[in-house]
Amino acid sequence: QSVLTQPPSLSAAPGQKVTISCSGSSSNIGNNYVSWYQQLPGTAPTLLIYDNNKRPSGIPDRFSGSKSGTSATLGITGLQTGDEADYYCEAWDIRVSGGVFGGGTKLTVL
Amino acid sequence: QLQLQESGPGLVKPSDTLSLTCTVSGGSITNNNYYWGWIRQPPGKGLERVGNIFYSGLTSYNPSLKSRVTIDVDTSKNQFSLKLKSVIATDTAVYFCARHGESTSGWDYWGPGTLVTVSS
Repeated sequence: QSVLTQPPSLSAAPGQKVTISCSGSSSNIGNNYVSWYQQLPGTAPTLLIYDNNKRPSGIPDRFSGSKSGTSATLGITGLQTGDEADYYCEAWDIRVSGGVFGGGTKLTVL
Repeated sequence: QLQLQESGPGLVKPSDTLSLTCTVSGGSITNNNYYWGWIRQPPGKGLERVGNIFYSGLTSYNPSLKSRVTIDVDTSKNQFSLKLKSVIATDTAVYFCARHGESTSGWDYWGPGTLVTVSS
């Protein structure tokens, strides 16, 4: 049981937009920054979004992040088949004095 | 370009100690703008923070593993290490080492990961 709650799976067609939700509490998302990661099969995660809505260099602006209250959202526009991956949210949690991850969302682009 | 690489045995017996090392190249582990950590992923499951360490040696561990985990840093070798004692089958996972910004969120550089299987 993950501290942060994500939908287990989502699917969308190429070219469409998708949003992935991440729900937490005041001990994590509500009072701390959220990060998002993309994990392609068999590889290490890649940081997509940090500090709620900032993109590291090299991450296309098709990826965006937002936060409201105790929930966060990752948005992906112009979906490509290469976006098929697992996506994870993460936030600092004051109860454990460390980062906690969501359970992950498997995105299928069909 | 910063690179991280995990190394260590791929097979550990139940009740033994899992030991992994992360070698950092292309940057200094003593840069106090960052800290370093271990994240694991059981087969087919999600990510779990194991713990992290600042170059000063200050550590933070996942409470669920705290009694069994030790993370150390060797600044002379630009490495940090993980020891997880009394392992059981559910400790089987891919173990990643990674870097985290001191004042920003997110693990921004990761090693490729190494699979550690706990089995007799």
